[in-house]
Amino acid sequence: GAGVSQSPRYKVAKRGQDVALRCDPISGHVSLFWYQQALGQGPEFLTYFQNEAQLDKSGLPSDRFFAERPEGSVSTLKIQRTQQEDSAVYLCASSPSRRGMWETQYFGPGTRLLVL
Amino acid sequence: LAKTTQPISMDSYEGQEVNITCSHNNIATNDYITWYQQFPSQGPRFIIQGYKTKVTNEVASLFIPADRKSSTLSLPRVSLSDTAVYYCLVGISGNTPLVFGKGTRLSVIA
Repeated sequence: GAGVSQSPRYKVAKRGQDVALRCDPISGHVSLFWYQQALGQGPEFLTYFQNEAQLDKSGLPSDRFFAERPEGSVSTLKIQRTQQEDSAVYLCASSPSRRGMWETQYFGPGTRLLVL
Repeated sequence: LAKTTQPISMDSYEGQEVNITCSHNNIATNDYITWYQQFPSQGPRFIIQGYKTKVTNEVASLFIPADRKSSTLSLPRVSLSDTAVYYCLVGISGNTPLVFGKGTRLSVIA
């Protein structure tokens, strides 16, 4: 079946621009996660949704980062006034149930963001 | 969350068995040990999870000694396609975020 998909796969933004990154989780998956992965590093947790509820946003690095999942399926990660340090791969993952973050997560291919 | 330590990189020839050891000295009683694999330009993929002794699936085996202060991911007869970064994660079920660390970069050579 279809896995997690993300769009766009690549995004180049000028410093100060706003960007929106989309995640389509596996159909029916309750939980959705966003991660940021800098070059040469492991993914770092940003935020976690169960259905439309954002249960944890402790990893969002600043108030320029905002995530939503209004209907409990597709999610959007928005970054306002992008800075060069925001350049990274943004990964989305989903899992089937409410068992929490340590249930197997299925990751998408990521969106590579480059801020110039 | 228990801190994990694993080698930064490893090299292996095709057909060999590869063992990647992860140290987690302050693992808590309820913590599970989970391994993910990440290929270039892809998101991580779950490999295996265990609590104690040995777990085996179609991809790998996970060996956990009685004191649980370390664990070893074993990949039998690796091929070039096993070249990837392998992450060891330790934590409890529930709503504590996964912490990936830098992982172990495995290079398989022909």
